[in-house]
This record gives sequence, C-alpha cells and structure tokens, in this order.
Amino acid sequence: GAGVSQSPSNKVTEKGKDVELRCDPISGHTALYWYRQSLGQGLEFLIYFQGNSAPDKSGLPSDRFSAERTGGSVSTLTIQRTQQEDSAVYLCASSLVLASTYEQYFGPGTRLTVT
Amino acid sequence: AQSVTQLGSHVSVSEGALVLLRCNYSSSVPPYLFWYVQYPNQGLQLLLKYTTGATLVKGINGFEAEFKKSETSFHLTKPSAHMSDAAEYFCAVSVRGADGLTFGKGTHLIIQP
Repeated sequence: GAGVSQSPSNKVTEKGKDVELRCDPISGHTALYWYRQSLGQGLEFLIYFQGNSAPDKSGLPSDRFSAERTGGSVSTLTIQRTQQEDSAVYLCASSLVLASTYEQYFGPGTRLTVT
Repeated sequence: AQSVTQLGSHVSVSEGALVLLRCNYSSSVPPYLFWYVQYPNQGLQLLLKYTTGATLVKGINGFEAEFKKSETSFHLTKPSAHMSDAAEYFCAVSVRGADGLTFGKGTHLIIQP
C-alpha cells in the first residue's frame, strides 16, 4: 500500500518568507509526527498529533513553527519568517498506535533551504 | 527527560565480520526502544523495536538487539556484515510508546570489501 508522502520534496525560500510543508500519512493511521533532521542537531522531534487529542507541541523550537492536522489525516507544518537555521530536512511519520506496536513509518522528507 | 547516546559516529567493519553498534539511553521510566536505518537520500526504516517481553529482539535483514536494563543499553548486532548494510543507523527511545521519539546522533556504518 501507499506509504507516507510529503510535498514538496525540495523547497528553496528566501529568509523572512513563510513556508508550508505537507504530509499525507498512511490511510487509517491515527498518529502523526513531525521531525527535523539537520547536520548540526541530528534528528529532533517537533510535534505529535494523536486522534482528536490536543497535539504535543513540546518539540517546536520557536513560535514561528506551527502545525495543524485537518480531518485527522493530512497535516501541514508552517514556518513563518524563515531563518537560515531552519534549513533542514523535515520528516513526517505516522503510526497506527495499537497496543505494543508503536511503529512509526517515515516519509521521504522535505528538504528546506533558506537563502 | 530521556536521552540517547550512540558511541561512535562512524564504525567500519569488513564484509562478513560482526557488526556491533552501541546505544545507551537514559529514561526515568521503562523505555520503548527502537533502531532505525537510513540509506542515502531515503527516509527512515524501522529495523527492530523493544516494547515489552523478551529482551532479545530480532529485526529485519538479520539484525538483532538486546535490551539490558542494568546497563541501560540496547546495542545492535549482526553476525555477518554485507555490503548492503552500509547506511546510517539511529537508536531512539520513547517513554510512552506512542509519543515522539528521542533519537541518538546516529552511527554511519561503513563496510569494507
């Protein structure tokens, strides 16, 4: 079946502009996660959505970062007033969250370059 | 807060030799532990996981890992390395299973012919 998809695969933006990154999780998966992968910081958790519960935003690095999940499926990560340090690969993952599984399936990522 | 330490940013082994990638964690509660692999320009793929039960877990591609609570370790092993094993390997921990993962810095595995 189809895996997690993300768009765009690459995004180049100018410093100060806003960007939106999209994630389509595996159909039926109730949990959705955003991570950031950069050379300096490695893999960092950003935010987690589970069903209709309030999202866990504990990993968001600043208030310029926000995310929403519409209809329990597609999610958009928005970065406002982008900075050069936001350059990274943004990874999305989804999970079925059944007892004793907790397997997260990752998408290919969006490579964001801020110039 | 939990954390993960992977010893060795780069590990080089000969084809056919034992692979050992080290992972130590810290967690205030019993952890859920994972190993992921990332091939060049690809996403992360789950190799294996420890949630509850048997402490020796087997994964894909001949890899296995053993959860040792007394040593707070979850080292990844494979008896015989193959050229196709060359990749970046990440150890990760979560405290509730379904929450966001905390990753180690990763270990780049190099296979020498």
